Amino acid sequence: RKEVEQDPGPFNVPEGATVAFNCTYSNSASQSFFWYRQDCRKEPKLLMSVYSSGNEDGRFTAQLNRASQYISLLIRDSKLSDSATYLCAVNKGTTDSWGKLQFGAGTQVVVTP
Amino acid sequence: NAGVTQTPKFQVLKTGQSMTLQCAQDMNHNSMYWYRQDPGMGLRLIYYSASEGTTDKGEVPNGYNVSRLNKREFSLRLESAAPSQTSVYFCASSERGQGEQYFGPGTRLTVT
Repeated sequence: RKEVEQDPGPFNVPEGATVAFNCTYSNSASQSFFWYRQDCRKEPKLLMSVYSSGNEDGRFTAQLNRASQYISLLIRDSKLSDSATYLCAVNKGTTDSWGKLQFGAGTQVVVTP
Repeated sequence: NAGVTQTPKFQVLKTGQSMTLQCAQDMNHNSMYWYRQDPGMGLRLIYYSASEGTTDKGEVPNGYNVSRLNKREFSLRLESAAPSQTSVYFCASSERGQGEQYFGPGTRLTVT
């Protein structure tokens, strides 16, 4: 089993609709969680950190469910420009894994007119 | 602020050739990382440097060496390139070990 898993998609979303997807992680000691956005042939860019209480940034909402060991990302009022691959990243949280973020393979989102 | 810069952007090597990928950051970050990204595999950590003067292996270090030249610069060397090293290489930096990482634009390497 991979340490960090994502549904590869694609999630085809009509413009203006809401889309949500999850990322599961295997290490219960994980401490830090992030969502990155990656456009085709570009570098990953930090979208948002994920806090225990959940957090929102405009149309984007991230949640953490420690009991079930997953994080989620919800995009409201989808724009064409939201089309991208969304990567989750999880820090293992153990002393021998300092600084080592584990990345999921990404969820592709395609927003259609 | 340029953030994280990488050179070159593209490179084609023949099997057995060597090359060094350069990375620099101007954010005064302590930690720097090298990843490779292959289709369907996600980002895999090659080497990282927790702070100036230290380096350590990541998930896929074989065939690579690194140098943390100073706080700003972290280079990745392929001593004898192999076709399996065809990939996109990203450098990243972070202020602290468990914090968010910021990526450079990547180097697309093809080994024939």
